[in-house]
Amino acid sequence: QVQLQESGPGLVKPSETLSLTCTVSGGSISSHVHYWGWIRQPPGKGLEWIGGIFHSGSTYDNEALKSRVTMSIDTSKNQCSLRLTSVTAADTAVYFCARHNHQLTGSPMDVWGKGITVTVSS
Amino acid sequence: VLTQPPSMSVAPGQTARITCGGNNIAIKSVHWYQKRSGQAPALVLYDESDRPSGIPERFSGSKSGNTATLTISRVEAGDEADYYCQVWDTVTDQVVFGGGTQLTVL
Repeated sequence: QVQLQESGPGLVKPSETLSLTCTVSGGSISSHVHYWGWIRQPPGKGLEWIGGIFHSGSTYDNEALKSRVTMSIDTSKNQCSLRLTSVTAADTAVYFCARHNHQLTGSPMDVWGKGITVTVSS
Repeated sequence: VLTQPPSMSVAPGQTARITCGGNNIAIKSVHWYQKRSGQAPALVLYDESDRPSGIPERFSGSKSGNTATLTISRVEAGDEADYYCQVWDTVTDQVVFGGGTQLTVL
């Protein structure tokens, strides 16, 4: 059974870079069947899509965050990563990684990590 | 933009119908997620009306025109959660979530 686990610092200072990793267990991040997404939920707000990455490394990004977001995939570690630069308090959120259940961009996210809370504060 | 009612209340045993409206939903695949407080979202319906393994038959979905509907029959206390619809926007090439509906079981 595939499981996802987010990891990274829980506290980031304003203007610095948030870096998170999603580790896949019980399956391969190199799968040609799936792709991987990042989603966040600010306190008291709804879900916000950050972006998605395919095994090839190609990505789709939220236009509103695109200039600050970098996603990558490390097949040797079975991980994907998210970097968000120049963070502000508005980036405080629970961050989730998720698996899309097939390679089509409209596919649903059927496996989710438990999420990691990231607070931006000095 | 996907529009959902912000909140809804229903008594146990009754039926909850949560709507999701948006342009061109008629030609898009709509997925629904349940998010309980403090937990990760969970997929409850995909492609409007298909249930993943383990989701009870009480959860069903439909679509008419530019509105998709998640129906929860015989609502239980454990169904209390936020529910989000989601599509892929082919114009912007982005995942789009609805604003979410908070379902309260009275």
